Amino acid sequence: DTGVSQNPRHKITKRGQNVTFRCDPISEHNRLYWYRQTLGQGPEFLTYFQNEAQLEKSRLLSDRFSAERPKGSFSTLEIQRTEQGDSAMYLCASSPTGHRNTNYGYTFGSGTRLTVV
Amino acid sequence: TQLLEQSPQFLSIQEGENLTVYCNSSSVFSSLQWYRQEPGEGPVLLVTVVTGGEVKKLKRLTFQFGDARKDSSLHITAAQPGDTGLYLCAGAGNAGNMLTFGGGTRLMVKP
Repeated sequence: DTGVSQNPRHKITKRGQNVTFRCDPISEHNRLYWYRQTLGQGPEFLTYFQNEAQLEKSRLLSDRFSAERPKGSFSTLEIQRTEQGDSAMYLCASSPTGHRNTNYGYTFGSGTRLTVV
Repeated sequence: TQLLEQSPQFLSIQEGENLTVYCNSSSVFSSLQWYRQEPGEGPVLLVTVVTGGEVKKLKRLTFQFGDARKDSSLHITAAQPGDTGLYLCAGAGNAGNMLTFGGGTRLMVKP
C-alpha cells in the first residue's frame, strides 16, 4: 500500500466552474476524512465517512460542497460554482476504526491545491 | 466547539538551540497528536499522547500532555535545519470521530 493518494495535486479553475477531487485511502482504513487548509492556518474539518456512510459534516461545508464514498473505498469531493474563497489545500486522511481510533493517528495524503481565478 | 491555540505562531532560531512549542485549550481531549507538515505536503504524524501527564520522547523531541488533558508541549533539543516545518497539534474529543487542529507553529532552523 502506498499510503493515501489524492488527485489531482493542483487544480486551477475559473470562478463559477465545478471541480471534483479524488482520494484513495489506505485500503485497510474504513474511516476517511476531508479537511481544508488555507495558507498559514491549521487544517479545518469538513466531513468524514465510516465505510460508505457520511457520519458528520462541518457547518463550514456549504451546499455547494458534496462528498461521496460510494463503495466505502475511494472518495470524491465536489465543489460547485467555485468562488475565490474556495482557494485552499484540500486534504484527505484515513484511519482505522477501533476503540478511540484517533489514537492511531491519521495518515494524510499530499493534498489537492485549488486556485480559483 | 473545541479550540486549540498554539504558540508561538512563528519561530526562527539557529541550529543547536532548544525550543518549546505550546498547545492550549479550555477543552479536555481524549488524546492529542502532534504532526509536522512540509510545504506542499500533508501533515505527518509524530506522536499521540493519551494519558494526562504523559511524556513521550522521539529522539530530540519531547512531547508532554498536561495533567488535565487540556494542553500539550513539544520541546526540541539542539534543533537542526531538518526540523524546519509547520508543527500542528490536534485534539480528539471523546467521540473520537475527528481531530481539531491548532493553527500551527512555523519553525525555521538556520544553519
